[in-house]
Amino acid sequence: AQSVTQPDIHITVSEGASLELRCNYSYGATPYLFWYVQSPGQGLQLLLKYFSGDTLVQGIKGFEAEFKRSQSSFNLRKPSVHWSDAAEYFCAVGAQRSSGGGADGLTFGKGTHLIIQP
Amino acid sequence: DTAVSQTPKYLVTQMGNDKSIKCEQNLGHDTMYWYKQDSKKFLKIMFSYNNKELIINETVPNRFSPKSPDKAHLNLHINSLELGDSAVYFCASSKRAAYVYGYTFGSGTRLTVV
Repeated sequence: AQSVTQPDIHITVSEGASLELRCNYSYGATPYLFWYVQSPGQGLQLLLKYFSGDTLVQGIKGFEAEFKRSQSSFNLRKPSVHWSDAAEYFCAVGAQRSSGGGADGLTFGKGTHLIIQP
Repeated sequence: DTAVSQTPKYLVTQMGNDKSIKCEQNLGHDTMYWYKQDSKKFLKIMFSYNNKELIINETVPNRFSPKSPDKAHLNLHINSLELGDSAVYFCASSKRAAYVYGYTFGSGTRLTVV
């Protein structure tokens, strides 16, 4: 079965500094990978997704992520964070329904809470 | 606006009551979902449903039941509410092959059981 690990529960970054959020996945086939952001009191919004092709994916709000198959990673980056980036970030892997049942869909990591210091 | 909309946004109720949360999507998506987000922000899938099939996460108590009057709606009904049901509930929808396209989420319903 597929799984996603986000090793950092909390990360604190100064405004204007660069950001990298880590994500490792486990999946037997070529993964479909996603990053979502959840602002306080809001639902989850898709930042970017990776299917195939170029391993560096550009998303909204100035975010990008790089797929590294050899490391089973899909880390999210931003060169300069803004106070409005403070939120919960979720990495997810898409998996087709397994032969044993379950739903097609996404498996989420437990999230990384990003705090921005002034 | 095209979106996934949930009502109500906040719901405070007493233990033992029965309540429903409504969800509607106007994206023309094939599949809808309910997720529960606990106090630690962990997202747990409860149900997925399209017009052919309901898939239930086996860990979900049978007090929870999804009801879909049509393809654009998936409501969540909860019987005999318990304190542990307090959480944020998210509705989501996707095109067929959600593992490729991802989900569109609603803004959530914060349920507080007192």
